[in-house]
Amino acid sequence: DAMVIQNPRYQVTQFGKPVTLSCSQTLNHNVMYWYQQKSSQAPKLLFHYYDKDFNNEADTPDNFQSRRPNTSFCFLDIRSPGLGDAAMYLCATSRGPPSLNTEAFFGQGTRLTVV
Amino acid sequence: GDSVTQMEGPVTLSEEAFLTINCTYTATGYPSLFWYVQYPGEGLQLLLKATKADDKGSNKGFEATYRKETTSFHLEKGSVQVSDSAVYFCALKDSGGSNYKLTFGKGTLLTVNP
Repeated sequence: DAMVIQNPRYQVTQFGKPVTLSCSQTLNHNVMYWYQQKSSQAPKLLFHYYDKDFNNEADTPDNFQSRRPNTSFCFLDIRSPGLGDAAMYLCATSRGPPSLNTEAFFGQGTRLTVV
Repeated sequence: GDSVTQMEGPVTLSEEAFLTINCTYTATGYPSLFWYVQYPGEGLQLLLKATKADDKGSNKGFEATYRKETTSFHLEKGSVQVSDSAVYFCALKDSGGSNYKLTFGKGTLLTVNP
């Protein structure tokens, strides 16, 4: 089945140690999103790619970066994780352009713990 | 800017009870509206959607009607099951302004007891 896959499902990292989360998709969607969801809160958009164009939300900390080497893969890099970065990270895709009112398809998420 | 307001949870029901979760929105353009469901420890799954006024989205016994006059998209189900226990998020994607992203409500936790 076509889908959005995130790895790993659970990630534990040390305070200040760089960590990378990955997302792959078989839907061939040209838009990919990264959301951060803290406990009992709504998902918050960090950034998105439209093809190779990167779009950062204004309030996304510089500590968060992303790479999209090809259509299928997208990575979230946290350069120096703090305790406040512990959250569920959700990858999503949609058929673009981003302004098209199509639904987003989400992966199962990566739960990040910072120790 | 765009915003979504959902009824505060948690909501606890007995099996076969009627469910309503209220959702209202503000948007600068002509949004599409969505309900997503999140089961424990999982990502979000699309439950249903509506793209224009008076459209009704439906799936798995859940329904929601896009009401432009009241800017609402309330989720209903006639008879809930234990397996419906999850967090439900109302969301919109606008045609103007920030038209590239989903804006979510805070979510409503539903627990269905046998």
